[in-house]
Amino acid sequence: KAGVTQTPRYLIKTRGQQVTLSCSPISGHRSVSWYQQTPGQGLQFLFEYFSETQRNKGNFPGRFSGRQFSNSRSEMNVSTLELGDSALYLCASSKLPRQTDTQYFGPGTRLTVL
Amino acid sequence: SQQGEEDPQALSIQEGENATMNCSYKTSINNLQWYRQNSGRGLVHLILIRSNEREKHSGRLRVTLDTSKKSSSLLITASRAADTASYFCATDAGNFNKFYFGSGTKLNVKP
Repeated sequence: KAGVTQTPRYLIKTRGQQVTLSCSPISGHRSVSWYQQTPGQGLQFLFEYFSETQRNKGNFPGRFSGRQFSNSRSEMNVSTLELGDSALYLCASSKLPRQTDTQYFGPGTRLTVL
Repeated sequence: SQQGEEDPQALSIQEGENATMNCSYKTSINNLQWYRQNSGRGLVHLILIRSNEREKHSGRLRVTLDTSKKSSSLLITASRAADTASYFCATDAGNFNKFYFGSGTKLNVKP
């Protein structure tokens, strides 16, 4: 069974640009969560989608948004990039909502904002 | 601040030794999970322990949970160089809408 895939794996952008990251969950998984990982702040929850609906949202500005498609694939978008958005963005999928089920993580997308 | 905090922040041991890392949290939980992350890569789920469980085993891993002390420990027995990674605990803070990762313990196993 294929694991969680994330594209692209690496991305370099400049301040002010916007970026879209993609996540394909494990087949049959309906929950997709996104996390931002930085050396200073650690792993922080961005949002979770379950059956195309956003269930939860972390404490991030409105520049961070996401969506989930009917095939459970998810995208997250960051607009007006700032230097502080440089991070590893991780996507995780699970069959059930994340708190009650094992999450399987993708390899991440390393975003560098110059 | 984050719900879960790991201790120690870093741990260096010789291959074959046991490694113990601890996680403390602040509010009641429904379950607690442990994850491993190899340098700069995705996380791998290790164990989920529910609030009504006290101990769980998986291969060389042993996790304990003490809800009265709001703490959990992860023991890796007979460690190997391949166990070198960061280990994180994650809790739900008693709210199925929340999920917090701790700051992690960086484990280095020297061959």
